[in-house]
Amino acid sequence: AQSVTQLDSHVSVSEGTPVLLRCNYSSSYSPSLFWYVQHPNKGLQLLLKYTSAATLVKGINGFEAEFKKSETSFHLTKPSAHMSDAAEYFCVVSSGGYNKLIFGAGTRLAVHP
Amino acid sequence: DVKVTQSSRYLVKRTGEKVFLECVQDMDHENMFWYRQDPGLGLRLIYFSYDVKMKEKGDIPEGYSVSREKKERFSLILESASTNQTSMYLCASGSAGAKNIQYFGAGTRLSVL
Repeated sequence: AQSVTQLDSHVSVSEGTPVLLRCNYSSSYSPSLFWYVQHPNKGLQLLLKYTSAATLVKGINGFEAEFKKSETSFHLTKPSAHMSDAAEYFCVVSSGGYNKLIFGAGTRLAVHP
Repeated sequence: DVKVTQSSRYLVKRTGEKVFLECVQDMDHENMFWYRQDPGLGLRLIYFSYDVKMKEKGDIPEGYSVSREKKERFSLILESASTNQTSMYLCASGSAGAKNIQYFGAGTRLSVL
């Protein structure tokens, strides 16, 4: 069975410093992995997805994630945080048939001036 | 752009009422999904549909039913609302296929008093 663990429920960074949001997954076969972002009072927006092509995936707004099979990780990074990055971020694994998604509990990112 | 529209942003209902949450997508997607979002739990799948008049239970279907009479519309029904169904409800749609992303609506925040 697939599962996702986001290792931090809250992350706080200063504007201009790097962002690291950590995600570990469990999957019995080669997974499809996603990061979604949710800004306050908004729906979820796809940041990036991994589907067994390049292990380093670039997404929107300067975010990227690296798929590491040996570590079963899919951490999200950004070199320099912006105030507009403050949001909740979800790591997600696809459960195969019918594209059911399994969500992590979410990481709330705060960005301070 | 893909558009997933949920009919209400906020709803307040009384215990025991029958509640309908409506979702419409404009991309001719085969799959549609209903999730509920609660703090610290991420998103949990209630029901999904892979075709007109077809439905499958997700992880937490108890107390809910769904209807899909037309391809573009997927309704979530709370037959007799209870206070523990107070939550944010998110609808999503996506093309058939395990690697395809889901597109989300803005959500309906339901309060059951």
